[in-house]
Amino acid sequence: ETGVTQTPRHLVMGMTNKKSLKCEQHLGHNAMYWYKQSAKKPLELMFVYSLEERVENNSVPSRFSPECPNSSHLFLHLHTLQPEDSALYLCASSLRGPEANVLTFGAGSRLTVL
Amino acid sequence: GQNIDQPTEMTATEGAIVQINCTYQTSGFNGLFWYQQHAGEAPTFLSYNVLDGLEEKGRFSSFLSRSKGYSYLLLKELQMKDSASYLCAAMDSNYQLIWGAGTKLIIKP
Repeated sequence: ETGVTQTPRHLVMGMTNKKSLKCEQHLGHNAMYWYKQSAKKPLELMFVYSLEERVENNSVPSRFSPECPNSSHLFLHLHTLQPEDSALYLCASSLRGPEANVLTFGAGSRLTVL
Repeated sequence: GQNIDQPTEMTATEGAIVQINCTYQTSGFNGLFWYQQHAGEAPTFLSYNVLDGLEEKGRFSSFLSRSKGYSYLLLKELQMKDSASYLCAAMDSNYQLIWGAGTKLIIKP
C-alpha cells in the first residue's frame, strides 16, 4: 500500500468510449499529478494540481480532461482516445514547496485503447 | 534541449555490486532524484542529491557531480528483490523534473 490508490488498475476501451481514471490519497499532500508512462520512454508529466488549482498542462490533447474536486481526489476523464494513448497512467502526490518533487506514486492504471 | 541518459538494461549477480549511471543536461539544476519501480508497481523515492558527493542509505548510495552533469546509484550486496527499473530525474531551474527512460536491472542468482 503506497498511500496513493488508483482505480481501475486495468482498463480496455474503444476509441468512442468515455471513461475516467480515479486517484485518491490520504497522506495530507496538497499537490497531485498525472503522468503517462510508455514502455522505454521517460515519464511524461500531463497535469499538476496544487491546492486544487491546475498549475501545469503540458500540451496534453483535449481528449484528456483532469478534475480535482478536493486535495485528496484526482480524476482523469478520457474520451475519443487513440490507440497511441495506450500506456500506464500514474497518479502521484506530494507536499508543496521544497519537497514538491518527493513524489508518492500510485501503482497506475494500465490503459489499452482498441 | 533537456535530456537525461541512462542505460536501458543492466544485469548483475546476487551478492555483487552494481553502479547505474545517469548523465543530465538541463536548463539550470536544482537536484537529482532516483526512484525505484518494480514491475507492475508504483515508483518509489530512493534518493535526492543537490550537493556534490556521495550519500549513503543502507545498501544504496547515490553520487552527484554537478560539474560533470553526472550521477550514479550504487547498489551493494544485491538481492533478488532489487530487480526493478531505476529512474533518474533531474530538477531544472523551474523545479520541474526531467526524467530518464529508466534502467531495468536484472539480478541473477
